[in-house]
Amino acid sequence: DTGVSQDPRHKITKRGQNVTFRCDPISEHNRLYWYRQTLGQGPEFLTYFQNEAQLEKSRLLSDRFSAERPKGSFSTLEIQRTEQGDSAMYLCASSLPGAASTGELFFGEGSRLTVL
Amino acid sequence: AQRVTQPEKLLSVFKGAPVELKCNYSYSGSPELFWYVQYSRQRLQLLLRHISRESIKGFTADLNKGETSFHLKKPFAQEEDSAMYYCASHNAGNMLTFGGGTRLMVKP
Repeated sequence: DTGVSQDPRHKITKRGQNVTFRCDPISEHNRLYWYRQTLGQGPEFLTYFQNEAQLEKSRLLSDRFSAERPKGSFSTLEIQRTEQGDSAMYLCASSLPGAASTGELFFGEGSRLTVL
Repeated sequence: AQRVTQPEKLLSVFKGAPVELKCNYSYSGSPELFWYVQYSRQRLQLLLRHISRESIKGFTADLNKGETSFHLKKPFAQEEDSAMYYCASHNAGNMLTFGGGTRLMVKP
C-alpha cells in the first residue's frame, strides 16, 4: 500500500501522559496536513507543512501540541500532558504541490486517541 | 471565518430514490468547493470538486453562489452509496474546511 500511513492506529493513555503520532505521506507529496476529528464532527484543521516548513497552525493547536516534519518526509504530532478532551481521531493527509487549489488531499486511516 | 454547514446528520432513502445532500458555505471570496466521502472502514477520499463540473458515481454538485450552496445530488441512489459525506471548502490559505458530515443510508 503506497498511501498515507499513520502509526499507531490506536492509542489509549492516561491523562497527563505524552503521546506521539507518526505520519508517512505519499512519497512524492510535499504537502502534509494534520486534522483532528471528534465523534459526529467533520475533520478540523490543525496544521500544515510544505516540505519541512510548518506554514499554518490552527488556533486549535494549543501549546501542548507540537508537530514536526524534520526532513520534509514523515511528520510527528506530539501531545503533551494529555487531557480527556484530546480524545479524538487524528488524521494525516498529504498532497502534491499545487493540489491545494484542487482540494485533493490523500488521507491516512487515522490514529485514534483515547485519554482515560 | 470560513464555515461549511451540512444541516442533516443523517439521510435515509430507499434504493432507487433521488438523493440530495445539502451543503451551505460562508465565504466572501471565490470559493472552491468539494465533496469527500468515507465508506465503511475506508479512508476519507475526494468524491468531486465543483471546478471540474464532473459526475462521479452518478453524483453531481452545482455551486449556487446566490444561495451559497453546493448540494450533492444523485437521481437514483444505490446501496453502495451508503457512506459519510463531507462538504469542504478551500480558502485563501492552504487547508480545507470541512462540514460536520451527513451519513447517507440507502435501504434496499
